[in-house]
Amino acid sequence: DAGVTQSPTHLIKTRGQQVTLRCSPKSGHDTVSWYQQALGQGPQFIFQYYEEEERQRGNFPDRFSGHQFPNYSSELNVNALLLGDSALYLCASSSTNRVGGYTFGSGTRLTVV
Amino acid sequence: KNEVEQSPQNLTAQEGEFITINCSYSVGISALHWLQQHPGGGIVSLFMLSSGKKKHGRLIATINIQEKHSSLHITASHPRDSAVYICAVARMNYGGSQGNLIFGKGTKLSVKP
Repeated sequence: DAGVTQSPTHLIKTRGQQVTLRCSPKSGHDTVSWYQQALGQGPQFIFQYYEEEERQRGNFPDRFSGHQFPNYSSELNVNALLLGDSALYLCASSSTNRVGGYTFGSGTRLTVV
Repeated sequence: KNEVEQSPQNLTAQEGEFITINCSYSVGISALHWLQQHPGGGIVSLFMLSSGKKKHGRLIATINIQEKHSSLHITASHPRDSAVYICAVARMNYGGSQGNLIFGKGTKLSVKP
């Protein structure tokens, strides 16, 4: 049973560019949450998707957007990249049928130069 | 005051020592996660607890729901255990802009040979 799969694992982008990160949730999970972890900091909540809609959102600008597909996989898009967007982006999936049970992806490390 | 507090923040141990990392929280939770993160790496899920105790190899995790406290123990520590250990709690109630998962700041463990 595959866990959460994130792609790519590493990415280097130039300031001003746009990036798309992908997450496939654990089989049986219907909810995907995205987090940003800057170096030396704890993960910060970006948003959560359920039933193809953004259900909750953290304090991130509109440059951060997302999408969830009918197969529950999700994308995180960041426009107009800034140097400060360099971070590890984590995806965690969960099921509305099992409260509190999160499965974590290993993350995508984004470097903006 | 943070809703999830970990202690200690940093921990240095000699190989073979018994290690304890503590996590206290102040919100109602449905589950608590212990996560491991190596330098520059992604997150690996170690345990999910909602009650009692779990053991996996040299790792033991306990939780006391009444006292809102959890501990992660490492027996016979080894240099490869060197990593940041993060406690994350899944809120019982709707998380809003903070999301449903609250992360501790992590405990940086260094095990010397």
